[in-house]
Amino acid sequence: GAVVSQHPSWVICKSGTSVKIECRSLDFQATTMFWYRQFPKQSLMLMATSNEGSKATYEQGVEKDKFLINHASLTLSTLTVTSAHPEDSSFYICSAREPAPPYNEQFFGPGTRLTVL
Amino acid sequence: QKEVEQDPGPLSVPEGAIVSLNCTYSNSAFQYFMWYRQYSRKGPELLMYTYSSGNKEDGRFTAQVDKSSKYISLFIRDSQPSDSATYLCAMRRGNTPLVFGKGTRLSVIA
Repeated sequence: GAVVSQHPSWVICKSGTSVKIECRSLDFQATTMFWYRQFPKQSLMLMATSNEGSKATYEQGVEKDKFLINHASLTLSTLTVTSAHPEDSSFYICSAREPAPPYNEQFFGPGTRLTVL
Repeated sequence: QKEVEQDPGPLSVPEGAIVSLNCTYSNSAFQYFMWYRQYSRKGPELLMYTYSSGNKEDGRFTAQVDKSSKYISLFIRDSQPSDSATYLCAMRRGNTPLVFGKGTRLSVIA
């Protein structure tokens, strides 16, 4: 299957700082990328859908000013957690969807573990 | 009622057993049905996908979709300790985002 990478794989930061997480599709062009967060022993919760060249669509309850998403190219999307607080500590996973219809496979990155002190 | 229901387990089976994992859903518009495997602290890995109703087999894995009952299953034959992971069902309609179940934690004991 296709490969999606994330960087960094883990990050520890102080409360009040901002953290940027990168998501790359390595061998295909992804017109649509998704960002999820996952708490321990919980399922994936969709945060936002980003389409290349346009604004991200955020799920209800997700603060768009806190979780900034940029999808500037067909292979790169970034999530910036601004003014991070301990409650933002979580496992963040990106996913990229192949553009080919009728079935668009969705591949996941390895995740980024964020710990806010 | 949640859109996708999945028993979180944990489920513990001996090596070599047949494992049955299930999800039910409420939205009859779902068309694409997937099973993902997630190891601890890793991203989900696509195992199987099915479009609409029917069965699909891939090695030791068989996925079944019964749209009339809004019920999907994943069977794992000859289970191995390396199959120990969390299994997530997911589904969607058209190009909408995937909706995930909570995941079932599986342990295969040698």
